[in-house]
Amino acid sequence: DAKTTQPNSMESNEEEPVHLPCNHSTISGTDYIHWYRQLPSQGPEYVIHGLTSNVNNRMASLAIAEDRKSSTLILHRATLRDAAVYYCILRVYNNNDMRFGAGTRLTVKP
Amino acid sequence: GAVVSQHPSWVICKSGTSVKIECRSLDFQATTMFWYRQFPKQSLMLMATSNEGSKATYEQGVEKDKFLINHASLTLSTLTVTSAHPEDSSFYICSGFGAYGYTFGSGTRLTVV
Repeated sequence: DAKTTQPNSMESNEEEPVHLPCNHSTISGTDYIHWYRQLPSQGPEYVIHGLTSNVNNRMASLAIAEDRKSSTLILHRATLRDAAVYYCILRVYNNNDMRFGAGTRLTVKP
Repeated sequence: GAVVSQHPSWVICKSGTSVKIECRSLDFQATTMFWYRQFPKQSLMLMATSNEGSKATYEQGVEKDKFLINHASLTLSTLTVTSAHPEDSSFYICSGFGAYGYTFGSGTRLTVV
């Protein structure tokens, strides 16, 4: 299975943009890139997903490298409520498994 | 949006007893339900995958006789921890997969004393 590598932790200041990186050098052509986040004592929450093109939604943007070996989740203006563990996950096409890596713990400072 | 209701949110039980955790997909049909376990400061570990009307598929190292999963309908799946021991204390999370993709429950914190 393709795996992802993320920094253990990152810090950001409130109202500043945050770029959360994810390396997935063994990604295959049909793997989707998913991002979820988990607040303390809660289940994961969907953030965004993509395949090849960059994606935007109301929560975030996903920038995918041209070779797809890495991607970056962009929070345009971090708020205190964005403090969470962010997981970058590869989902194999036609396989519903969703397996989590270690994730990045984002701390947002006021 | 899609919602998965998970109950109870927390439970304390005595060692040797069984505990049932329930997950309902409220506004979609979950063709597949995933069950995860999360220990403090660790990531989610997939325990088992169940398809409606079929037996669950367990991950390596997860005892199927201890963690009983029932997925009798497209909107309800249950996980029963049988003969619970303190080492089973953890945060259990379900996820339903359907037309909206993956939707996670809010989790159940199990403490076995």
